[in-house]
Amino acid sequence: GAGVSQSPRYKVAKRGQDVALRCDPISGHVSLFWYQQALGQGPEFLTYFQNEAQLDKSGLPSDRFFAERPEGSVSTLKIQRTQQEDSAVYLCASSHGTSGSPLRDTQYFGPGTRLTVL
Amino acid sequence: EDQVTQSPEALRLQEGESSSLNCSYTVSGLRGLFWYRQDPGKGPEFLFTLYSAGEEKEKERLKATLTKKESFLHITAPKPEDSATYLCAVQAERGSTLGRLYFGRGTQLTVWP
Repeated sequence: GAGVSQSPRYKVAKRGQDVALRCDPISGHVSLFWYQQALGQGPEFLTYFQNEAQLDKSGLPSDRFFAERPEGSVSTLKIQRTQQEDSAVYLCASSHGTSGSPLRDTQYFGPGTRLTVL
Repeated sequence: EDQVTQSPEALRLQEGESSSLNCSYTVSGLRGLFWYRQDPGKGPEFLFTLYSAGEEKEKERLKATLTKKESFLHITAPKPEDSATYLCAVQAERGSTLGRLYFGRGTQLTVWP
């Protein structure tokens, strides 16, 4: 596809359920980021992958959050035992990551998954 | 601690009424400053990247400028379709979270006919 895609677009979970959110980055993009956006706030960093390697997971709010990118393309963000405070929009972004200054590469965002925990 | 502050939080303009949005930042070495546009229910859409003080970039009715402490997004003769939330983000040169973007809370712009 032409851009970053995410699924599902909307997810309603009962408190305590596990959820899995999927991200399909732009083809060929090496870098992949997950962000969490609460209502009325800017996105907050969760974790970063370079190919299949998770190089930074310092933004994950608790050990209930887990992310993977096993083949260096599609990524999944998993939240175990969901809590009401997990309700937010989860955004995925990807960038080339292959230029001379890879960290400068522009991040392109998907439409997000809106998670509501009841 | 790296921080990004945007002002105003909300701005209402009449069509054709030019104005500016502000983004002030404190970061341990600026690697890049990014402007995004976000429409309701959608992900942020990339607008500009600025790397050094004095740099300017333009796109249609938008112009972004950068100083050592802040960036401005100037909107000239806005139209209703410019209504959106405008997000500013910075990327730090140093730190344990290289590559991550630090976002402000955004400015919600409404342009009425």
